[in-house]
Amino acid sequence: QVQLHQWGAGLLKPSETLSLTCAVYGGSFSGYYWSWIRQSPGKGLEWIAEISHSGSTNYNPSLKSRVTLSIDTSKNQFSLNLSSVTVADTAVYYCARETWNGGYGWFEYWGQGTLVTVSS
Amino acid sequence: SSELTQDPAVSVALGQTVRITCQGDSLRSYFASWYQQKPGQAPLVVIYGKDNRPSGVPDRFSGSGSGDTASLTITGAQAEDEADYYCNSRASSGDRYVFGTGTKVTVL
Repeated sequence: QVQLHQWGAGLLKPSETLSLTCAVYGGSFSGYYWSWIRQSPGKGLEWIAEISHSGSTNYNPSLKSRVTLSIDTSKNQFSLNLSSVTVADTAVYYCARETWNGGYGWFEYWGQGTLVTVSS
Repeated sequence: SSELTQDPAVSVALGQTVRITCQGDSLRSYFASWYQQKPGQAPLVVIYGKDNRPSGVPDRFSGSGSGDTASLTITGAQAEDEADYYCNSRASSGDRYVFGTGTKVTVL
């Protein structure tokens, strides 16, 4: 069974960089795209970005200028950096594995979520 | 801003049927997937593709779609189905995902 476990700092000050890592256990790491998704308190889901096992990336245009993704296939891990955070970046951040079938994909496996709070 | 629009809330009597809709241009090109989220939990996919249920999801959940609209139907709603539901699809540009605004389902 595939499991995603994520971790990172939970409390940041404005202007700092958010850093999260997601480790994948079970299943194949190659051949998939890996995403980050967030949810502000009481709000809906927002897709942040994705990275393939080969390092190809796509971003939400609204966050692209501040997002950096990386992947370490030797450790079956991928990471998110979000720079210059503000209070508006306070959210639960999830990592997720995309599964594709033909021309469509879905988020089949999710991490447990990490609450990141930005406060001065 | 979300490019997939959902009704904010719906209610359904126990054992009855409820349909949740999701509207957006991207649905003309890509199938929607649907996620159930209960308080304090990560989302869980309940429908993907044309009408596919992951193993373990009850068959009272079904999906459909036409044009720019996708629907999730719960036939015979149970108390445990009370949750927020989000649709999701690839954006029309093909280079990102979009989520729906979410629908809170209350089982009466």
